[in-house]
Amino acid sequence: AQSVTQPDIHITVSEGASLELRCNYSYGATPYLFWYVQSPGQGLQLLLKYFSGDTLVQGIKGFEAEFKRSQSSFNLRKPSVHWSDAAEYFCAVVETGGFKTIFGAGTRLFVKA
Amino acid sequence: GAGVSQSPSNKVTEKGKDVELRCDPISGHTALYWYRQSLGQGLEFLIYFQGNSAPDKSGLPSDRFSAERTGGSVSTLTIQRTQQEDSAVYLCASSETGRAFFGQGTRLTVV
Repeated sequence: AQSVTQPDIHITVSEGASLELRCNYSYGATPYLFWYVQSPGQGLQLLLKYFSGDTLVQGIKGFEAEFKRSQSSFNLRKPSVHWSDAAEYFCAVVETGGFKTIFGAGTRLFVKA
Repeated sequence: GAGVSQSPSNKVTEKGKDVELRCDPISGHTALYWYRQSLGQGLEFLIYFQGNSAPDKSGLPSDRFSAERTGGSVSTLTIQRTQQEDSAVYLCASSETGRAFFGQGTRLTVV
């Protein structure tokens, strides 16, 4: 069965430090891959997506993610975290050409001064 | 409308009462999802509608939960005999291909 794993339930980083949030998926073919962010009191917002082509994708707010087929991973990165990045981050998968979105359980990011 | 609309935005109900949550998806989107986010938890899939196909109800936590989608558009999630553990934010999303667009959610509090 298709699945998305975000192994870190929560992560704490210092402001200005680099960030990497992990995401692994289980699917036979290369699916569409997404990262969403949910800030407190707000709905989900799309950060970036990967459909095909260049495996390093750039998103909003200075985030990027790299698709690694050999590792079935799509980790989210940011070189320098800001306090406003504190939120819950969700990795998601949609089967190629399909519709159903499968979400990971989410990683809550805490940013300390 | 321009986005996915959910109503009400907040709902407080007494334990044992029934509630209905409404979702208006983006016009033309064939896929509609309901998710639940409990306090401190990640997103939990509830139900998925795709066009005229039979819905995927595999995520509904109990038979107190049901959902329908009329005319391939508006969807209603119904929770019967609400319990305190039903308190959560209920998110609706719609999509055509790939990217899901989310509503702002309905915060349900069962007292």
